[in-house]
Amino acid sequence: GAGVSQSPSNKVTEKGKDVELRCDPISGHTALYWYRQRLGQGLEFLIYFQGNSAPDKSGLPSDRFSAERTGESVSTLTIQRTQQEDSAVYLCASSLTLADEQFFGPGTRLTVL
Amino acid sequence: AQSVTQPDIHITVSEGASLELRCNYSYGATPYLFWYVQSPGQGLQLLLKYFSGDTLVQGIKGFEAEFKRSQSSFNLRKPSVHWSDAAEYFCAVAPGSNYQLIWGAGTKLIIKP
Repeated sequence: GAGVSQSPSNKVTEKGKDVELRCDPISGHTALYWYRQRLGQGLEFLIYFQGNSAPDKSGLPSDRFSAERTGESVSTLTIQRTQQEDSAVYLCASSLTLADEQFFGPGTRLTVL
Repeated sequence: AQSVTQPDIHITVSEGASLELRCNYSYGATPYLFWYVQSPGQGLQLLLKYFSGDTLVQGIKGFEAEFKRSQSSFNLRKPSVHWSDAAEYFCAVAPGSNYQLIWGAGTKLIIKP
C-alpha cells in the first residue's frame, strides 16, 4: 500500500512569506507527527495528532507555526512570516496508534531566502 | 531534561568489518528505545526497538542492539557491514507512555571499499 506522502518535496520562499506543507498519512493510521530536521542535526518534535484528541503542540517553536488535521486524514503545517532559521527538512510520520512504529514520509525541504 | 547522545558524528569502517554505533540517554526510568536509518534520498526507516524483556533485540538488515540499564546505553551493532549500509543512523527514545520521540543528532556511517 501507499506510504506517507508529503508535498511539496522542495519549497523555496522569501523571508516573511507564509508556507503550507502537506502530509498524507497511511490510511487507517490514527496518529500523525510533524518533525523538523535542521542540517546535520537530529529530528526535533513539533506536534502530534492522535485521533480526535487535542493535539500535543508542545514542540512548536513559536506562534508562527501551526498545524491542522481533519479527522484521520491529511494534515497541513503552516509557517507564517517565515524566517531564515525556519530552513530545514520538515518530516511527517504516521502510526497505527501512538504505541506503534512511526512510518516517515520523504520530507519537504524548505529554504527561506 | 531528557536527552539522547550519539557521541560519534561520523564513523568509517571497511566493508565486511564489524560495527558498533553508540547511543546514551538521560532519563530516570527505562524509556522505549529505537534505532532508525536514513539512507540518501530515502525516508527514515525503523531498524529495531526495545520496549521491555530481552535486552538484546534483533532488527532488520542484520542489525541488533543491546540495552544496558546500568550504562543508560542502547548501542547498535552489526557483525559485518555492507556498502549498502552507508547511511545516517539515529537513536531515539520515548519516555514511558509518552510517544513523543527524542532524537539523537545522528551518526553518519561511511563504508570503505
